[in-house]
Order: sequence, then structure tokens, then C-alpha cells
Amino acid sequence: DGGITQSPKYLFRKEGQNVTLSCEQNLNHDAMYWYRQDPGQGLRLIYYSQIVNDFQKGDIAEGYSVSREKKESFPLTVTSAQKNPTAFYLCASSIILGTGELFFGEGSRLTVL
Amino acid sequence: QQQVKQSPQSLIVQKGGIPIINCAYENTAFDYFPWYQQFPGKGPALLIAIRPDVSEKKEGRFTISFNKSAKQFSLHIMDSQPGDSATYFCAASRRSNDYKLSFGAGTTVTVRA
Repeated sequence: DGGITQSPKYLFRKEGQNVTLSCEQNLNHDAMYWYRQDPGQGLRLIYYSQIVNDFQKGDIAEGYSVSREKKESFPLTVTSAQKNPTAFYLCASSIILGTGELFFGEGSRLTVL
Repeated sequence: QQQVKQSPQSLIVQKGGIPIINCAYENTAFDYFPWYQQFPGKGPALLIAIRPDVSEKKEGRFTISFNKSAKQFSLHIMDSQPGDSATYFCAASRRSNDYKLSFGAGTTVTVRA
């Protein structure tokens, strides 16, 4: 089955630690995205990538980093510089940038202790 | 600052009722308006979408109404069922911003049997 796989589903981190969330897709989509979801705020775009080895900052990129070394993979690192990292993180992809139709993974819930 | 304002935050209806979710925007450059449905613990999935040259679009029991002059659009769920209980997000995007989606804050709909 084609889709987007995010791991881990739940993650706990101590303050001051970096953590990397995995996102893999087998849909052969060019574009990939990371969103953050907080209660009452909808989804906010962290980073997006149109093609391999290229990515752009979204609306709330501070304290996060990404890489796109392979078409299928778009990992997100939540660094210690992110002031409020506890959230639900969603990875998504689309056939190309700008189609509007996003396919989402099931999310990773990060809790900072 | 949220570019798409969504209301209400939550609503409860009886089975067979018609929950209505409203969204408003300011940026007249928006030209694509999708709705996403999210079940607990899952990622959102595209439900239905509309472009501003159309005033209404139906897909099954879901209808989008679009009022370009008022800069508003709404989702109606006809003959709602308990399985429709989910969080619904409206969104908007524009060509000049790489079609990046701006999401509303979400509406949690509960359909009572």
C-alpha cells in the first residue's frame, strides 16, 4: 500500500536534547512538507521541499531543521533551540508543489519533559 | 496571525442533522479552498475542494458553499452520521505563494446517535 510512514508515533525528550522525526513516502511524490499541530491553532507549516536537496522555510521554521537527501525521505530535527517543542507533528506529500492536495502521515507526538 | 478564520471551534448535532462550519479570509489572491477531515490519532485527509469560479460543490453528503464577494466559504454535512465525527479544517492557498496552504484552526464535530 502506498502512503506516508512517520516514526516514532510517540516520543519523549528531555529539555536541551535534539530529536529527529522520520518521514518516508512511497507515493513517488516530489514535494514533502512538515506541519505542526497545536490545539486551537490548526496546522502550521514548518518546512517544505519541492525536490531532492532543496527545501524552504515555512511559517515557523525557527528551532527546526530538515534534510532531503532522497526523494522518499524528509526527516525533521527538533533542536534544543525550539522553545516550545511539545506538539503533534505531521508529515505530508503532494505529487508536485502546488497541487493543493496533501497526503498526510499519521503523525508523531513529541512531549518534552 | 491566522489568514483563514474558522468557526465554530466545536459543535454537536444529532444523527441526521446538518452541521455547518464557516470560514472567512481576507486575501483575495487565494484561489484554492480545500477542506480536510481528521479522525483522532490520524493525519488529515482531503475531503473536498473548491475554486472561486464555482459557488457550490457537492461530493456525496458534503457540500461546500463559496461566497466570493463576502470572502467566505462553508462546509455542510448533510444527513450527518456518527462516523462523521471528526475535526474539520478549512484551508486556502494561492499561486503566488507556491500554493502553500493556510489552515483554519479546526472545528470538532460530534454527531450523536
